[in-house]
Amino acid sequence: GAVVSQHPSWVICKSGTSVKIECRSLDFQATTMFWYRQFPKQSLMLMATSNEGSKATYEQGVEKDKFLINHASLTLSTLTVTSAHPEDSSFYICSRGVLNEQFFGPGTRLTVL
Amino acid sequence: QKEVEQDPGPLSVPEGAIVSLNCTYSNSAFQYFMWYRQYSRKGPELLMYTYSSGNKEDGRFTAQVDKSSKYISLFIRDSQPSDSATYLCAMSELGFGNEKLTFGTGTRLTIIP
Repeated sequence: GAVVSQHPSWVICKSGTSVKIECRSLDFQATTMFWYRQFPKQSLMLMATSNEGSKATYEQGVEKDKFLINHASLTLSTLTVTSAHPEDSSFYICSRGVLNEQFFGPGTRLTVL
Repeated sequence: QKEVEQDPGPLSVPEGAIVSLNCTYSNSAFQYFMWYRQYSRKGPELLMYTYSSGNKEDGRFTAQVDKSSKYISLFIRDSQPSDSATYLCAMSELGFGNEKLTFGTGTRLTIIP
């Protein structure tokens, strides 16, 4: 069964609004979780590493103030896309690692009108 | 030059054929290699995980690594329509689950019944 869940699975919002995406680790506690973004027909690009109890580590070129990450508990990380614009429309996927494997959530498709 | 290169396809083959998927990489620090399968609008799921140069077999799937040429392959024998998906190669330096993965662009595969 699924070990990482995401909510919502898809969301449509108006330009300028903020959207929160939840990522839950269902079986193990996760001090570290990852957030990826995938554009159509493109690869997964790591956006940031979410660290429980501390600030997230963002990849080069990812705006910290636009993509807010909160990892307040060992089973939940949230990604908030602030002031969303159409170019933020994408497939957002989270993951968490156990031993030498990374398990991915089912993804959240964001469409900004 | 991208760190990981993968032919995006699309690739269409008849049912029962042998499928060969490939990735090349430029970063010699990559030591661990993975193949993920991603169905449409779903998160990736791990198929194969390898470290050593050579072949690793799991059922109908064989992963091949040639570190000297910086080239990895995934072979699918007796391909089935259910194998239709996007296949992504991924790489890391240390092989830990809580480590950044670098993905190829993915190859979209269709198995024709």
